[in-house]
Amino acid sequence: IVMTQSPVTLSVSPGERATLSCRASQSISNNLAWFQHKPGQSPRLLIYDASTRAAGVPDRFSAYGSGTEFALTISGLQSEDFAVYYCQQYLKWPPRTFGQGTKVVFK
Amino acid sequence: EVQLVESGGGMVQPGGSLRLSCVASGFTFSSYWMSWVRQAPGKGLEWVANVNHDESEKYYVDSVRGRFTISRDNAKNSLYLQMDRLRADDTAVYYCAKCEYQLLENAWGQGAQVTVSS
Repeated sequence: IVMTQSPVTLSVSPGERATLSCRASQSISNNLAWFQHKPGQSPRLLIYDASTRAAGVPDRFSAYGSGTEFALTISGLQSEDFAVYYCQQYLKWPPRTFGQGTKVVFK
Repeated sequence: EVQLVESGGGMVQPGGSLRLSCVASGFTFSSYWMSWVRQAPGKGLEWVANVNHDESEKYYVDSVRGRFTISRDNAKNSLYLQMDRLRADDTAVYYCAKCEYQLLENAWGQGAQVTVSS
């Protein structure tokens, strides 16, 4: 299953809302996760089952979707949110495929 | 606190071998699936392999199957990745990760750099 994310880069000002998209090449129901990856750090699981926040994830992160279309929304972007975000499907594996990532940068 | 510490990275020539290790602490290692995920320079995350509690199930991405072997030693709280017949496109930072719900990686090591170059 191929995961395609858009846009590749998203320019956002602090305090604004960012919406990231992820599309699966075939239906994956809600078997989708979102990860955050900051430079020099390890990735972090944010969302699983398409819309459930992982433990400790702030509620400004929300996500939705099912089937082939998914989105991650970051409301009131904070400085620590500038990072690369990856979606990953886990319905049909191996392999457990990631999208190519969306980089959220300071506008 | 969950801790995962990778070691064994380095530079190797194409066709060579390297063995990565990951020592786990802060949880009951023998109860969890574990995985390896890598990130090549300038590229995104790529899932590489995972293994279940007793090594009876192991899965790999096609590009490494037959060249890489994932294993674990529960007595030593350790996860391994034996990498043989290495290629330039295996150059990456390799992360070990603890898998929980739906085998999702929810705790990660700091990563080990592997460089394959002549």
